[in-house]
Amino acid sequence: GEQVEQRPPHLSVREGDSAFITCTYTDPNSYYFFWYKQEPGASLQLLMKVFSSTEINEGQGFTVLLNKKDKRLSLNLTAAHPGDSAAYFCAVSATSGSFNKLTFGAGTRLAVCP
Amino acid sequence: GPKVLQIPSHQIIDMGQMVTLNCDPVSNHLYFYWYKQILGQQMEFLVNFYNGKVMEKSKLFKDQFSVERPDGSYFTLKIQPTALEDSAVYFCASSLDRNYAEQFFGPGTRLTVL
Repeated sequence: GEQVEQRPPHLSVREGDSAFITCTYTDPNSYYFFWYKQEPGASLQLLMKVFSSTEINEGQGFTVLLNKKDKRLSLNLTAAHPGDSAAYFCAVSATSGSFNKLTFGAGTRLAVCP
Repeated sequence: GPKVLQIPSHQIIDMGQMVTLNCDPVSNHLYFYWYKQILGQQMEFLVNFYNGKVMEKSKLFKDQFSVERPDGSYFTLKIQPTALEDSAVYFCASSLDRNYAEQFFGPGTRLTVL
């Protein structure tokens, strides 16, 4: 089945620096891609969803890149601030043949220091 | 935005007892999911549920696990009997349809089996 590898497991950056997180996946039929943010003790908050037809997506303070050739999904937090400190998880979903089973990466614990 | 509620937030029980975790999904959603997250690890898919039936389950969904949603009430995960390795946070999610794929997550129930 699908396997998702996420790097790095821990990341510490200074306020104002960028933070870069990458996931690689194995199933070439993967079609939907997600980035979630999880603050301590809280549930997952959807940051962005990406469909396979798009390559670059911009959100508020971050950019998501999808490279289908390399089966790589990236999240770049630009100008990170302490409120960005959280765990970030990528998730991948197969095509419509599967009932939306999300496969998650192991997560990146991001600490943004003032 | 749409909210998924979970009751209780914490549950402590003795090994061998039965436990039922309750989820109140987004009101017009049709697909329901349970995920398990052991402390510090990624979220892992357990089961998805549609139209009164389990559509897909993972290896983690042991014979002691069952799900149901009687008469449109809570979507429940029952574990009977519980084992020590069932200690984890269980997240419920729901989605409007299968192909759109966006799942909304609840805040989780932290289950401790002693």
